[in-house]
Amino acid sequence: GAGVSQTPSNKVTEKGKYVELRCDPISGHTALYWYRQSLGQGPEFLIYFQGTGAADDSGLPNDRFFAVRPEGSVSTLKIQRTERGDSAVYLCASSLTPWAGEQFFGPGTRLTVL
Amino acid sequence: QQQVKQSPQSLIVQKGGISIINCAYENTAFDYFPWYQQFPGKGPALLIAIRPDVSEKKEGRFTISFNKSAKQFSLHIMDSQPGDSATYFCAASIRDSGGSNYKLTFGKGTLLTVNP
Repeated sequence: GAGVSQTPSNKVTEKGKYVELRCDPISGHTALYWYRQSLGQGPEFLIYFQGTGAADDSGLPNDRFFAVRPEGSVSTLKIQRTERGDSAVYLCASSLTPWAGEQFFGPGTRLTVL
Repeated sequence: QQQVKQSPQSLIVQKGGISIINCAYENTAFDYFPWYQQFPGKGPALLIAIRPDVSEKKEGRFTISFNKSAKQFSLHIMDSQPGDSATYFCAASIRDSGGSNYKLTFGKGTLLTVNP
């Protein structure tokens, strides 16, 4: 079975541009998470979806960041007016349920804002 | 404020040796402590996890030791192998009102190198 996939694997954009990062969770997993990993740091929680709804978006740094999961499967993280400080690896994870314990991570999207 | 402090930042061990990575936490509400392994270009993968009702958990060559009173936990890798060379992250989470530990707080990571 396929794991969590993320596209694109790399994204280079210019300051001020809009970007979308996609996550395909493991089939059947109801819970989906986004994390951000800066160089030399551990992943930082951004947002958690249970089904289609964002159950906890407390980790989103500001209102330039938004995420959706309209059909309860694929999720898109959207960043408006990108800044150089947004450069990081954006990781998506999924779990069968939020009580399942193990979160399965994708390989991440490396975002570089020039 | 860093809620989970991990040390050392990097570690070099000879093949067959024991690798030990330590983490300390501040929030006594944390009740789930997983360790993740990450290879370059890959996402983190769960190695082993523990809850505070036990002091030790072993799975193969990997052992977590947990000291609730000291608010510390550690990962021990026995008979370390070159294939274990990776970055290791400790994490912690608080069970929410719905009973899930979904929000992981990670340490900064330890780069382990096992020399052949």
